[in-house]
Amino acid sequence: EAQVTQNPRYLITVTGKKLTVTCSQNMNHEYMSWYRQDPGLGLRQIYYSMNVEVTDKGDVPEGYKVSRKEKRNFPLILESPSPNQTSLYFCASSLASFPIEQYFGPGTRLTVT
Amino acid sequence: KQEVTQIPAALSVPEGENLVLNCSFTDSAIYNLQWFRQDPGKGLTSLLLIQSSQREQTSGRLNASLDKSSGRSTLYIAASQPGDSATYLCAVNSGYALNFGKGTSLLVTP
Repeated sequence: EAQVTQNPRYLITVTGKKLTVTCSQNMNHEYMSWYRQDPGLGLRQIYYSMNVEVTDKGDVPEGYKVSRKEKRNFPLILESPSPNQTSLYFCASSLASFPIEQYFGPGTRLTVT
Repeated sequence: KQEVTQIPAALSVPEGENLVLNCSFTDSAIYNLQWFRQDPGKGLTSLLLIQSSQREQTSGRLNASLDKSSGRSTLYIAASQPGDSATYLCAVNSGYALNFGKGTSLLVTP
């Protein structure tokens, strides 16, 4: 089944403890992206990747890192999480190198205490 | 920067009604526009994608239109059902990012 998977789906952690949220797609898509969703603010893009080893910042990249070493994987790294990074995170992918049509993962709900 | 606005923010209708959700955007230089559905606490499900060269797309009871020059799109839902209750999001692609509206929360009552 064609899909975007994220792990973990739920995570509660403490301030400053490094964490990684994984994202994987099995559709051989070129483009991948991370978003966060917050009440009243909607969905905002964090980082995106047009292809392996090619990444760029979105609207809210501060406090996040990404890497794209393989085409199918696009992990989101929080080196030192803070409470303002408590959010619902979505990974998405698209066939072409820019988002012609995006497919979204199920989301990861992160709470930083 | 592309700004996307959705009106109304919330809508409650009785079952069977036809309804229209609105989306407006500030920069008409777009590649495409995508409508999504989101159920509470869940992911996004793509409903319709309209390319910039298209005027409308249809899927079942859903019809989405695009007027790029005026910066507007509408999502028409025919014969609404309680199962249509969800948040509907409009997303505009102007390059390497999707810019989302804040959504319209729809409640269809039996």
